[in-house]
Amino acid sequence: DTAVSQTPKYLVTQMGNDKSIKCEQNLGHDTMYWYKQDSKKFLKIMFSYNNKELIINETVPNRFSPKSPDKAHLNLHINSLELGDSAVYFCASSQGWGAAYEQYFGPGTRLTVT
Amino acid sequence: GENVEQHPSTLSVQEGDSAVIKCTYSDSASNYFPWYKQELGKRPQLIIDIRSNVGEKKDQRIAVTLNKTAKHFSLHITETQPEDSAVYFCAANSWGKLQFGAGTQVVVTP
Repeated sequence: DTAVSQTPKYLVTQMGNDKSIKCEQNLGHDTMYWYKQDSKKFLKIMFSYNNKELIINETVPNRFSPKSPDKAHLNLHINSLELGDSAVYFCASSQGWGAAYEQYFGPGTRLTVT
Repeated sequence: GENVEQHPSTLSVQEGDSAVIKCTYSDSASNYFPWYKQELGKRPQLIIDIRSNVGEKKDQRIAVTLNKTAKHFSLHITETQPEDSAVYFCAANSWGKLQFGAGTQVVVTP
């Protein structure tokens, strides 16, 4: 009965590789997000989708490409991985967008680029 | 865009004492201010939130206050317990985006 789930939990890869992280929510929410948490614990929004439509696209290198096949899923594909991409990536979802909706976070994916 | 500042960055309190964390925001359009608790290796979890039409909200040992004029809001934890030890994040919702503060590491010592 996990609300927001992510796979994989850990990802270790070499520079230059391409990798994907998957997220699924079973809350029936319309809006999903990707956040990056760096080594100093700072949480920064990267992308947001509402009803499969991209609505927030922060200043993120275009090596990062999100995809939302349906409202319950949001994936993140990263091309040509760099050392600076090492971080914990959190997926989150909320009932809607633009107002005071609680965001529910997934367990995170710890990405280590060597 | 929104900018959220959070202080202090670390806070050490004796069990049973109170802890206060303060945040300021820049965008007067921000209308929702949640607080998240993140334990080591875990996901951020909402502990309390406040909307811009409310000045104060309390939930057991946790309370949040909001001063819209001064653009600051605070988290108060009373009667702290060891399980309150975690990183706490404030955030402000502006135009559908949550901007987080840098976090406060709270350590409660028995």
